[in-house]
Amino acid sequence: AQSVTQLGSHVSVSEGALVLLRCNYSSSVPPYLFWYVQYPNQGLQLLLKYTSAATLVKGINGFEAEFKKSETSFHLTKPSAHMSDAAEYFCAVSGGRGDYKLSFGAGTTVTVRA
Amino acid sequence: DAGVTQSPTHLIKTRGQQVTLRCSPKSGHDTVSWYQQALGQGPQFIFQYYEEEERQRGNFPDRFSGHQFPNYSSELNVNALLLGDSALYLCASSRFNSPLHFGNGTRLTVT
Repeated sequence: AQSVTQLGSHVSVSEGALVLLRCNYSSSVPPYLFWYVQYPNQGLQLLLKYTSAATLVKGINGFEAEFKKSETSFHLTKPSAHMSDAAEYFCAVSGGRGDYKLSFGAGTTVTVRA
Repeated sequence: DAGVTQSPTHLIKTRGQQVTLRCSPKSGHDTVSWYQQALGQGPQFIFQYYEEEERQRGNFPDRFSGHQFPNYSSELNVNALLLGDSALYLCASSRFNSPLHFGNGTRLTVT
């Protein structure tokens, strides 16, 4: 079974500061990993995905994540926060290869201070 | 290009009633998944439909059932509603191994 744990339910950053959201995974098979963002009253939008190609994955809106097998981590970063980055972020894992479901973390709410 | 559309956007039901939620997938997508997102939590997988069959199911009781139509649209049915069924229900569509595209959800309140 696959699962993810997001460390920190709330993160507050200043505009222009680094955004770092932490995600650790547990998987019995090589995982497929995802980061999604959810704005209020909206569905989830894919930021980026890891599917066993490059370990450093670049996504939309300046976000990137690095897959570290030794640490079972897939942390999300953005060098410089913008006010529009205020949202809830979800890490998710799939086993792929016949396992079609995504297992999501509990989410991290990001607040950006002016 | 229309994305994933869900209806209705909001719904209020009474305990014990039945509800049907609807989803139209993104153009070109043939697979529909349903997720339940309780307040303050991440989405939980209910089931996935492909070729009009339930292909995979999460840990939800039989009160939750679904259907996929030949045009790939889908319905989620919940019988004998409980207060704990109050949540945002998200539909997501995909094709082959493409990432999921989510709709904006249906907010169900059970009183």
